[in-house]
Amino acid sequence: AQSVSQHNHHVILSEAASLELGCNYSYGGTVNLFWYVQYPGQHLQLLLKYFSGDPLVKGIKGFEAEFIKSKFSFNLRKPSVQWSDTAEYFCAGHTSGTYKYIFGTGTRLKVLA
Amino acid sequence: NAGVTQTPKFRILKIGQSMTLQCTQDMNHNYMYWYRQDPGMGLKLIYYSVGAGITDKGEVPNGYNVSRSTTEDFPLRLELAAPSQTSVYFCASRLGTPQRQGADTQYFGPGTRLTVL
Repeated sequence: AQSVSQHNHHVILSEAASLELGCNYSYGGTVNLFWYVQYPGQHLQLLLKYFSGDPLVKGIKGFEAEFIKSKFSFNLRKPSVQWSDTAEYFCAGHTSGTYKYIFGTGTRLKVLA
Repeated sequence: NAGVTQTPKFRILKIGQSMTLQCTQDMNHNYMYWYRQDPGMGLKLIYYSVGAGITDKGEVPNGYNVSRSTTEDFPLRLELAAPSQTSVYFCASRLGTPQRQGADTQYFGPGTRLTVL
């Protein structure tokens, strides 16, 4: 069955620390992968997405993710986090030709000032 | 563009009551989705629609119904509310281009927080 796994449920970092959030997927076929962010009290917004081409994808606010097909991974990274990055982060996947997206369970990031 | 709008923002229901969660998008998107978000569980797909008049079940459709009579609107109906339906409900839409079906972005509404007592 298709699935998306996020292994870090809660992460606490100090400002300026580096961030890496894990995301693994199990899919067949051509896969499209996404990272969404949900700031407190707000709706989900797209951070970045991968559907083909360069496996290193750059998104908004200094975030990037790398698609590693051999590891079925799409980890999110940021070299230096800010207090304003405090939010919940969701990895999601989609197989081309289908309509359904599968979301991971989310990672709550808290950045201490 | 207002994007995706949802009403109401908050609602408390008694067991057995019914209600409709409204969702409207003004981006002329073909695909629309209803998700529920429970703590630690991520987002679960309830129903989706690929165009006016076409709907299909997602992962957790029991206890819900939908309709899509227009491109813009995709209401979610709860007929007999149960405590298990206490959740935050998000509506989303995306354009759904034929050539790149998965690549375009889902846009989410602000959510409806529903409590069933």
